[in-house]
Amino acid sequence: EAGVTQFPSHSVIEKGQTVTLRCDPISGHDNLYWYRRVMGKEIKFLLHFVKESKQDESGMPNNRFLAERTGGTYSTLKVQPAELEDSGVYFCASSRQVGAETQYFGPGTRLLVL
Amino acid sequence: AQSVTQPDIHITVSEGASLELRCNYSYGATPYLFWYVQSPGQGLQLLLKYFSGDTLVQGIKGFEAEFKRSQSSFNLRKPSVHWSDAAEYFCAVNDYKLSFGAGTTVTVRA
Repeated sequence: EAGVTQFPSHSVIEKGQTVTLRCDPISGHDNLYWYRRVMGKEIKFLLHFVKESKQDESGMPNNRFLAERTGGTYSTLKVQPAELEDSGVYFCASSRQVGAETQYFGPGTRLLVL
Repeated sequence: AQSVTQPDIHITVSEGASLELRCNYSYGATPYLFWYVQSPGQGLQLLLKYFSGDTLVQGIKGFEAEFKRSQSSFNLRKPSVHWSDAAEYFCAVNDYKLSFGAGTTVTVRA
């Protein structure tokens, strides 16, 4: 069984540019999560999809961030326009169910905004 | 709201010595607790988890953790550390979304 994959692994962009991160969850996992770790801080929840529906986006920093999950398969997270404070590692995770269920993480996308 | 505290930011241990990483949680109900590890350049890998039942749980790579409700703790242990255990370790509590501790970086010296 393939794990969670994320693309790209690294991205370096300039302030004001747009970046789109992609996450492919484990097949059959309806739940997909985005997390972020900025430098020196804790890993923080961004949002949660169940299939194609956003269940909780309380962790999204502001309206420069847009997440989608078309067809309930892969998900994208777009940052537009990027700011310096958006630099960090963006993790995607998936699970079959919520609650007492393991979330499996992808390798992360390391974003650097210059 | 749930929260997790990892009091130790950095621990250095000699190869072959024992290791214990501390984790305290705050959660109103029975917590679902996890330990993840992130090796350099890698993603987060699940070491072990506690949902219910036996309070001593075994994980991969020779790690174990003990859930102590009275102390709100879920400490991670390994009897004998290998150089490959050098990594960052995260404790997390799950209330459908994970809340992570700040992480503990483990350095292993020869």
